[in-house]
Amino acid sequence: GAVVSQHPSRVICKSGTSVKIECRSLDFQATTMFWYRQFPKKSLMLMATSNEGSKATYEQGVEKDKFLINHASLTLSTLTVTSAHPEDSSFYICSAIGTSRRPVDEQFFGPGTRLTVL
Amino acid sequence: GEDVEQSLFLSVREGDSSVINCTYTDSSSTYLYWYKQEPGAGLQLLTYIFSNMDMKQDQRLTVLLNKKDKHLSLRIADTQTGDSAIYFCAETLATNKLIFGTGTLLAVQP
Repeated sequence: GAVVSQHPSRVICKSGTSVKIECRSLDFQATTMFWYRQFPKKSLMLMATSNEGSKATYEQGVEKDKFLINHASLTLSTLTVTSAHPEDSSFYICSAIGTSRRPVDEQFFGPGTRLTVL
Repeated sequence: GEDVEQSLFLSVREGDSSVINCTYTDSSSTYLYWYKQEPGAGLQLLTYIFSNMDMKQDQRLTVLLNKKDKHLSLRIADTQTGDSAIYFCAETLATNKLIFGTGTLLAVQP
């Protein structure tokens, strides 16, 4: 099956610093990638949709200047949390859509990145 | 609204059947999905059902859809300890955009 990786898997940073999270599709080209945020014991919340070569589309309530998304190639999307604060601490998950093999465009999910802001 | 609700926790004994329920709110959803999330791993698509179907069976998994009541369920037959995970239902409101349920933690007792 298609594999999506995320790096780092875990990061701890000081308040006010910026953190970059990478999402890579390892064995397929992903024209669309998604970024989700998951709070403890809560569901995944879609933050933004990222298309290669164009600006990301952010969901309502998500600050685009706070969460910078870059989808520079068909295999890499990055999420940068700028000037991180403790309330940004969360589990960030990306997913990617590759070649459709079924009626639905299956999203392949990365393993997630645990961000802790001190 | 876009709230997709699930019960938080389900505990079953190994070998029994598990039924995880989901209530969604948008009747225009085209597809409905079940995902599995194991600790430290990404979400894995288990199965999906098209909105004009009312049942789909895939090996140990059976999905039932009651579109009138906007109710979706996942039945796992002969539940194994390896089935212990968090299960999410999800619906598509627009092309490729997934709205996830609140998740159900399934604990399988040996």
